[in-house]
Amino acid sequence: GAVVSQHPSWVICKSGTSVKIECRSLDFQATTMFWYRQFPKQSLMLMATSNEGSKATYEQGVEKDKFLINHASLTLSTLTVTSAHPEDSSFYICSAPLAGGFFGDTDTQYFGPGTRLTVL
Amino acid sequence: LAKTTQPISMDSYEGQEVNITCSHNNIATNDYITWYQQFPSQGPRFIIQGYKTKVTNEVASLFIPADRKSSTLSLPRVSLSDTAVYYCLVGDSRDGVSGYSTLTFGKGTMLLVSP
Repeated sequence: GAVVSQHPSWVICKSGTSVKIECRSLDFQATTMFWYRQFPKQSLMLMATSNEGSKATYEQGVEKDKFLINHASLTLSTLTVTSAHPEDSSFYICSAPLAGGFFGDTDTQYFGPGTRLTVL
Repeated sequence: LAKTTQPISMDSYEGQEVNITCSHNNIATNDYITWYQQFPSQGPRFIIQGYKTKVTNEVASLFIPADRKSSTLSLPRVSLSDTAVYYCLVGDSRDGVSGYSTLTFGKGTMLLVSP
């Protein structure tokens, strides 16, 4: 299957600092990537859809000024958690569809390994 | 609101076949059904995808009845390493820019395989 990587795999930061998480599609181009957040013992929650060349689409309740998304290229999307606070501590996961969208049907999403963010 | 319903948990023993059923009564005509596996502190891993009837790959089979309102993931001869959370998903709303389906994860099924 397609490979999606994330960097870093874990990060610990002080409250008030900003943290950038990278999501890369390693062997395919991803014009669209998705960012999820997962709290302990809970399911994944979609935060935003990142499209290369356009502004990200945020889900209801997700602050776009706090979670900055930049789809810099066809293989890279970044999520920056600005002024992080302890309540932002979570497991952040990105995904990218290999094909599909308006041009196909299946649009299977491949997920990165996740980034564990701990804000002290 | 998740579009799928699965059992919260299942228990099995090594070597047994495990069948996890998912209900998706409101599945849309163009929706595929996809199953993912997630281990703690890892991203979900794609297992299998299907549209109708039966799909089989090297790790699982997926059975979809004609009305497509449910699907069953079948794991043959499970091992301890199959202990994980299994998610059944169908497409959600479509992103207006790309056309890709967004996914709404339900609670999944926690499968515990014992020796």
